[in-house]
Amino acid sequence: AQTVTQSQPEMSVQEAETVTLSCTYDTSESDYYLFWYKQPPSRQMILVIRQEAYKQQNATENRFSVNFQKAAKSFSLKISDSQLGDAAMYFCARDGGNQFYFGTGTSLTVIP
Amino acid sequence: EAQVTQNPRYLITVTGKKLTVTCSQNMNHEYMSWYRQDPGLGLRQIYYSMNVEVTDKGDVPEGYKVSRKEKRNFPLILESPSPNQTSLYFCASSLSSSPYEQYFGPGTRLTVT
Repeated sequence: AQTVTQSQPEMSVQEAETVTLSCTYDTSESDYYLFWYKQPPSRQMILVIRQEAYKQQNATENRFSVNFQKAAKSFSLKISDSQLGDAAMYFCARDGGNQFYFGTGTSLTVIP
Repeated sequence: EAQVTQNPRYLITVTGKKLTVTCSQNMNHEYMSWYRQDPGLGLRQIYYSMNVEVTDKGDVPEGYKVSRKEKRNFPLILESPSPNQTSLYFCASSLSSSPYEQYFGPGTRLTVT
C-alpha cells in the first residue's frame, strides 16, 4: 500500500520560533516527488514546497525548508520564524504513478 | 484569473438522490482529480483524469463516477448517495501529473442524510 504517515495530529509553536512537522512514507519506487500543502481555515489548499527524491539537496522556500532522508523515507517540514498566518492544517503528500497520496494532516497552532 | 471552480459549495441531500458536483478549470490543464477529505483520514483520491476521455480510479472510487468530455470540465457524479459519502470534496488540476503543482478548487461540503 502506498501510505503517507503524519504522526503528529496537532502541534503548537510560539510566534517567531521554529517548528518541525514530521512525515514518513512508503514506496518501492526510486524516483518520486514529495509535497507539503497548507490548508488554512479558508479550506484552500496551497502548495508550500516540493522535493524530488533523486535530488540530495533539501528544498527551501523562504521560511520553509525540508529535511529529506531518502533511506529513512522521511520528509519533515521546518517552519522558521513562525507567523500567525502559518496557523493551518499541513498535509504531506507523495506521488505514485499518476496518483497522489496524502497524509492525515498536522494542525499547527501559532501562539502569539 | 487562473482558477478551479466547483459548484455547489454546499449541498445537503437525501440518500439515493442522484447528484453532480461540477468542476471547471481555465488553465488548459491536462490532469484533473477529485479528492475527499475526512477528519483523521486526510485527503484521499477518488478519480483522476490524464486528459480528455482518459479517467482512472484512485483509492476510493466506490459509489462515484466521473467523465471528461472536455478538457476544462471534470464532474463528479454520485448516482445513489449514501450517508458515508458525507464529506468535503476537492477538485484539483495541474499541467500534467507529478511533479506539477496541483491547483485546488474551494471545496464542496456534501451532507447526505
